[in-house]
Amino acid sequence: KAGVTQTPRYLIKTRGQQVTLSCSPISGHRSVSWYQQTPGQGLQFLFEYFSETQRNKGNFPGRFSGRQFSNSRSEMNVSTLELGDSALYLCASSSGTSLDTQYFGPGTRLTVL
Amino acid sequence: AQSVSQHNHHVILSEAASLELGCNYSYGGTVNLFWYVQYPGQHLQLLLKYFSGDPLVKGIKGFEAEFIKSKFSFNLRKPSVQWSDTAEYFCAVKGNNRLAFGKGNQVVVIP
Repeated sequence: KAGVTQTPRYLIKTRGQQVTLSCSPISGHRSVSWYQQTPGQGLQFLFEYFSETQRNKGNFPGRFSGRQFSNSRSEMNVSTLELGDSALYLCASSSGTSLDTQYFGPGTRLTVL
Repeated sequence: AQSVSQHNHHVILSEAASLELGCNYSYGGTVNLFWYVQYPGQHLQLLLKYFSGDPLVKGIKGFEAEFIKSKFSFNLRKPSVQWSDTAEYFCAVKGNNRLAFGKGNQVVVIP
């Protein structure tokens, strides 16, 4: 089974721009979660999508948004980029049940200049 | 909301030494606990998990962890480390379909 894939792997943007990141989950998985990883804050939960609906949301500003498509692929969008948004953005896929395990992709490294 | 604390963020040890990483969690519901590992240049991988049953769980590469409910702990152990165990280790607790991670332990094994 193919693992979780994320595109692009690296992105460089400037302040004020917006960016869209993509995640393709493991085949058969219906839940996609997004996390932000930074040296200072560690791994923080952004949101989770299940069957095209946002089921959970972390404590991030509204500039961070996402969506999920009918094939379970998910996109994350960050608008009006700030320097502090520089991070590794990780996507995790799972079956979406209460006893599931999340499997992570390689991440997208976003640098905001 | 759930939270996790990990101690001794930087650990340096020699090959064949024993490793123990502490993890304490806070969560009022049924706990699902995980240890993930991130090797240099690689993505986050599952080491082991605990959902229920035997509190001593075994994972990949000789790692094991013990769930102690009374101490809200889920410590990771390996009796004899190898150079290839150099990595960052994260403890996580799952609740409300989200994972809360600790800050991680950066482990360096010297050959």
